[in-house]
Amino acid sequence: AQKITQTQPGMFVQEKEAVTLDCTYDTSDQSYGLFWYKQPSSGEMIFLIYQGSYDEQNATEGRYSLNFQKARKSANLVISASQLGDSAMYFCAMRSLYNQGGKLIFGQGTELSVKP
Amino acid sequence: GAVVSQHPSRVICKSGTSVKIECRSLDFQATTMFWYRQFPKQSLMLMATSNEGSKATYEQGVEKDKFLINHASLTLSTLTVTSAHPEDSSFYICSASDLREKLFFGSGTQLSVL
Repeated sequence: AQKITQTQPGMFVQEKEAVTLDCTYDTSDQSYGLFWYKQPSSGEMIFLIYQGSYDEQNATEGRYSLNFQKARKSANLVISASQLGDSAMYFCAMRSLYNQGGKLIFGQGTELSVKP
Repeated sequence: GAVVSQHPSRVICKSGTSVKIECRSLDFQATTMFWYRQFPKQSLMLMATSNEGSKATYEQGVEKDKFLINHASLTLSTLTVTSAHPEDSSFYICSASDLREKLFFGSGTQLSVL
């Protein structure tokens, strides 16, 4: 069975500083994808970044980077130069790429608050 | 980019009535659609997976007769909450997968049952 764990219910960061949101996962699949989504108070799910299990380089998208450590089964999200608009819930998720139409499983989420 | 339209965004209904939520893929064919439920400050819990033209696959603990899912075409899936009760009040969100297996989310529906 697949499982995603986010151990930080809430995080605070000062504006313009970097912050790391933790995510560990468990799966028996060899081929899987890891995702991070941002959910503001409006409820929409905003895709941030994706890392495939066979990708050798850590994924980066603008201010977002994913620190992928396959042996440790961790996929931490790093947000650089935090902005007030980054305050939101952040979810780590995983999907098996072995089965077509594999479902996306989410972690518990981390509520990030950026302080001015 | 691909868009998934979810409607309505908010609905208030009386206890005992049924509510239908629509999820449409606007510019791609959705081979698979997923329905999630989310309580405040909690994670998204997968309710069911629907494939066009076949019966939905429900997650353990989700009542099939309570949450009816229909995926009649490659662009439309519906979730009907039958005989809704206050405990069904929640945020429901759909996602759709295209032929390249990319996932797109709807904007969600906030259901309040009085």
